[in-house]
Parts: sequence; structure tokens; C-alpha cells
Amino acid sequence: NAGVTQTPKFQVLKTGQSMTLQCAQDMNHEYMSWYRQDPGMGLRLIHYSVGAGITDQGEVPNGYNVSRSTTEDFPLRLLSAAPSQTSVYFCASRDGQGIATNEKLFFGSGTQLSVL
Amino acid sequence: LAKTTQPISMDSYEGQEVNITCSHNNIATNDYITWYQQFPSQGPRFIIQGYKTKVTNEVASLFIPADRKSSTLSLPRVSLSDTAVYYCLVGGGGFKTIFGAGTRLFVKA
Repeated sequence: NAGVTQTPKFQVLKTGQSMTLQCAQDMNHEYMSWYRQDPGMGLRLIHYSVGAGITDQGEVPNGYNVSRSTTEDFPLRLLSAAPSQTSVYFCASRDGQGIATNEKLFFGSGTQLSVL
Repeated sequence: LAKTTQPISMDSYEGQEVNITCSHNNIATNDYITWYQQFPSQGPRFIIQGYKTKVTNEVASLFIPADRKSSTLSLPRVSLSDTAVYYCLVGGGGFKTIFGAGTRLFVKA
């Protein structure tokens, strides 16, 4: 079972460049989300989606765009990369709609991004 | 999502039992308690979930007292490979599941 797949695993960008982090899941989960994790810190929610065509902001959405055209894919776009966006990015899907309290998150292996 | 409090870090030695306690005084009646484990350079992974009393699986046990205002994750006979960050979450969080800082467990030889 593939679960949640993220690509690329590593990326180096120059300030001002744009790029897309890919995320795909094969569990038919409606809910997907993106987190960033800075060294020694917890995860911070960037954006989430409760289904195709529906997205919303998390705690730290500035500088990032998302769209959800299919159930399987949830790409994260950096419009103009900044050094402050150097971080590890995790995509997650969830086995529910965000209503029940026993839902579980399934995470990808992460993308380590450095912005110079 | 109920606020949780857990120790920032813990040290242990191989072969010992490790207990990590999470406080959640404002847990709601229908809230489940869920623990995740995160190894370095990996995403968190679900390890155990419970509502009341005791839950055990192949990885850990979860003890929840009758008032449910706290819970304890128990890792039996830890090894070096159990070095990780452990997160306690209470409730589903609605659409915005927020993770705290977690507990950094360091297992020494």
C-alpha cells in the first residue's frame, strides 16, 4: 500500500522562484492537508481540503496556494519562495470528514525544502 | 480540540518501560485520545487511540482514568529505535488538527 506519497523528497530553491510540492494518496480520503515543520518545533497547518474543489486556510497560509481537482491529489504551490519558507513539508490525509473525534491522520514522508 | 499538556522531553534506557502522561482537563464527552509517533526525518504515524480505560496494541498501551482528564502512553521495554517525538491529541480537531510540541523521548544504550 502506497498511502500518502510526496515528491520531491528534497528541493533547493532560490529566493523568488516558484515550485509545486506534489502529494497523492490512494486511500480515497476526502480530507487532505499540508503542514510545515521547522527544526525542533511542532507541525503547523498550512492549508487543508475536505474534498475536490474545496480548500481552506490553516494557521500559516501566507505564501502558499493549494487546489484540489481530484480526490487523490493535493499539490502545494510556493508562489515566490522566501528563506522563511525553508522547512520540512508534510502532506496528510484523514480517514474522515473532520467531524468524528476518532479520525486518524496518515502522513507522507515529507519534502525538505531549502530556500537560499 | 482540547488543549493538552505533556512533558517536553524524557530520557530512558534500553529495556525500560516508558510512561508519557498527557493532561487534557477540558476533554469533551465525545473526544477520543490519539497518540502519534514521529521519527527523525519522517512524518508522524498513528500508534494508538482510546476513549476510556485501557487499550493495548503491538506497539504500546494507553491508560485512561475514569475522569479522562489525563492519559498515559506506555511503551514496554524501549529500544534505541523508540527514540522519537510523541504527540498526544484529544478530539478530532474539526477541520484544523493542530499538533503541539510533543514529547521528545531519547532512549540511551
